Amino acid sequence: KQEVTQIPAALSVPEGENLVLNCSFTDSAIYNLQWFRQDPGKGLTSLLLIQSSQREQTSGRLNASLDKSSGRSTLYIAASQPGDSATYLCAVRPTGGFKTIFGAGTRLFVKA
Amino acid sequence: SAVISQKPSRDICQRGTSLTIQCQVDSQVTMMFWYRQQPGQSLTLIATANQGSEATYESGFVIDKFPISRPNLTFSTLTVSNMSPEDSSIYLCSVGTGFEKLFFGSGTQLSVL
Repeated sequence: KQEVTQIPAALSVPEGENLVLNCSFTDSAIYNLQWFRQDPGKGLTSLLLIQSSQREQTSGRLNASLDKSSGRSTLYIAASQPGDSATYLCAVRPTGGFKTIFGAGTRLFVKA
Repeated sequence: SAVISQKPSRDICQRGTSLTIQCQVDSQVTMMFWYRQQPGQSLTLIATANQGSEATYESGFVIDKFPISRPNLTFSTLTVSNMSPEDSSIYLCSVGTGFEKLFFGSGTQLSVL
């Protein structure tokens, strides 16, 4: 059974700092991995999608990496800003299935 | 990509009543997903809705409590029936574009008194 874990559960950093959010999964048979952002009481916004054959994806100040063999993904945020404050969720879609498994998220607070 | 309109955005309901949540997509999609996010928790899949067939429910969710309609390829509804305070959650609809990204509606924040 696939399980997705995100560490840390919460993180507070000063503005301008570079930071890394971690995601681990127990079964390496994945189709893709997706990172989302969620603002309080709102829906999810897709940030980056990494296919199982890819190692990383970049969008602006965000970079996501994937190491299937070790069951890990990281989301790197460069030069953090107060507007980056949100919960970041990692989600894994298994091979051969449609049911995406979500981690519990990392709540990020960037202090001005 | 897909743009999803979800209504209502929030509601406060009385115990024992029902609420129907609507989800409209700007393009035709085969599969739509309904999720629940309880306070402080991650997302839990309620059911998968395919057009023209009965929804497939996950363990712990039943059709009598969460009936779903999927009349066409761009629209779906989820009803939360006979509500109790334990149903207070954010409800989210989602679609997948082929085998690629998941896109989400803006969510319905439900509070049951």
